[in-house]
Amino acid sequence: QVQLVESGGGVVQPGRSLRLSCAASGFTFSTYAMHWVRQAPGKGLEWVAVISDDGSDKFYADSVKGRFSISRDSFKNTLYLQMNSLRPEDTAVYYCARERAAAGGELDYWGQGTLVTVSS
Amino acid sequence: EIVMTQSPATLSVSPGERATLSCRASQSVSSSLAWYQQKPGQAPRLLIYGVSTRATGIPARFSGSGSGTEFTLTISSLQSEDFAVYFCQQYDSWPPSITFGQGTRLEIK
Repeated sequence: QVQLVESGGGVVQPGRSLRLSCAASGFTFSTYAMHWVRQAPGKGLEWVAVISDDGSDKFYADSVKGRFSISRDSFKNTLYLQMNSLRPEDTAVYYCARERAAAGGELDYWGQGTLVTVSS
Repeated sequence: EIVMTQSPATLSVSPGERATLSCRASQSVSSSLAWYQQKPGQAPRLLIYGVSTRATGIPARFSGSGSGTEFTLTISSLQSEDFAVYFCQQYDSWPPSITFGQGTRLEIK
């Protein structure tokens, strides 16, 4: 069965960096675009970034552009989110999610999320 | 950026009754419209995509409709497990991006 397992969250000071990982299993990872979506405590969902199936195309929300970087390793079946220059407003649960079909945009499988807290 | 607005913010409905949730886009989103259900402490779950197609394993009591800028999620006969928060989502194909509505909380009346 499809599984996505995030890790790497924690408490970090403003201005520091953190890298999140998402281990994928149960499907052919290299044939799906993958996304990161975040949710601040008690708030709604905010899309963060997407990477194409082959890793050649990457797009970001304006709120993280220039600070976050999405990448993937198809040998390790793992998705990453490198987060630099973290701000308190980046505090959220970060979910990785699979895009159901090419250019479809809907996210059919989600991980359980990993909490990132940016605080001094 | 396309803005998605959901209404109402909170909807109180009795079990067994019908619930109708609305989502409006600031401009036409064609058929790139999905709905998700989220329960406390859980990740969102895809319910509907392409406006009206149920995702795998989603019961028939969930249905989606609409076009252009106005969309609706209907739950025909509410079960206890349906009380949750619901989000609509649109997808821009180029450049790729996703926008979610702010959510509708469906609570037991």
